[in-house]
Amino acid sequence: QKEVEQDPGPLSVPEGAIVSLNCTYSNSAFQYFMWYRQYSRKGPELLMYTYSSGNKEDGRFTAQVDKSSKYISLFIRDSQPSDSATYLCAMSEGAQKLVFGQGTRLTINP
Amino acid sequence: ETGVTQTPRHLVMGMTNKKSLKCEQHLGHNAMYWYKQSAKKPLELMFVYNFKEQTENNSVPSRFSPECPNSSHLFLHLHTLQPEDSALYLCASSLPSEKETQYFGPGTRLLVL
Repeated sequence: QKEVEQDPGPLSVPEGAIVSLNCTYSNSAFQYFMWYRQYSRKGPELLMYTYSSGNKEDGRFTAQVDKSSKYISLFIRDSQPSDSATYLCAMSEGAQKLVFGQGTRLTINP
Repeated sequence: ETGVTQTPRHLVMGMTNKKSLKCEQHLGHNAMYWYKQSAKKPLELMFVYNFKEQTENNSVPSRFSPECPNSSHLFLHLHTLQPEDSALYLCASSLPSEKETQYFGPGTRLLVL
């Protein structure tokens, strides 16, 4: 079993839709949860960072962590074509080793 | 230059060649990382350096040899690579006090023939 599971997609939605991206994990010691966005031919860009359980909102983006279910989500409201990218979840126990999901490829259609 | 830069952006090499990848960060960070990103696989951490000292080697084959001369520069020396080593090699950096928030460079796309 992989430590972090993420549906690779691809996921295609119309502009303006609410997008839900998810990851599950098996390591209960994970305390830090990140979402990265990676455009084609670019490096990953840190989008959201959450410590422990709860929600965090930043503009159109909301990150949720449910440690009891070992499940994290990223919601994108009013999705735009510029949101088209691969979204990577990443987790850490608190050391420098980040464990990444495979990434979900998202396309927002105008 | 700002952020994390990597050169070259693309590299094609034969299995008997020796080449080096370079990473430079302009963020004042003290920790630097090498990652490998292969198609349809998650990012894999290769090496971690803190204050120029290697603190993690994630069971990487010896044909990959990292070097960190100072906190701003990181190299990955490559020799006798295999075709399965073809991938995107990403460098990242962070502050030791904020080690979970890592900032990535654009990567070097490597093709081994």
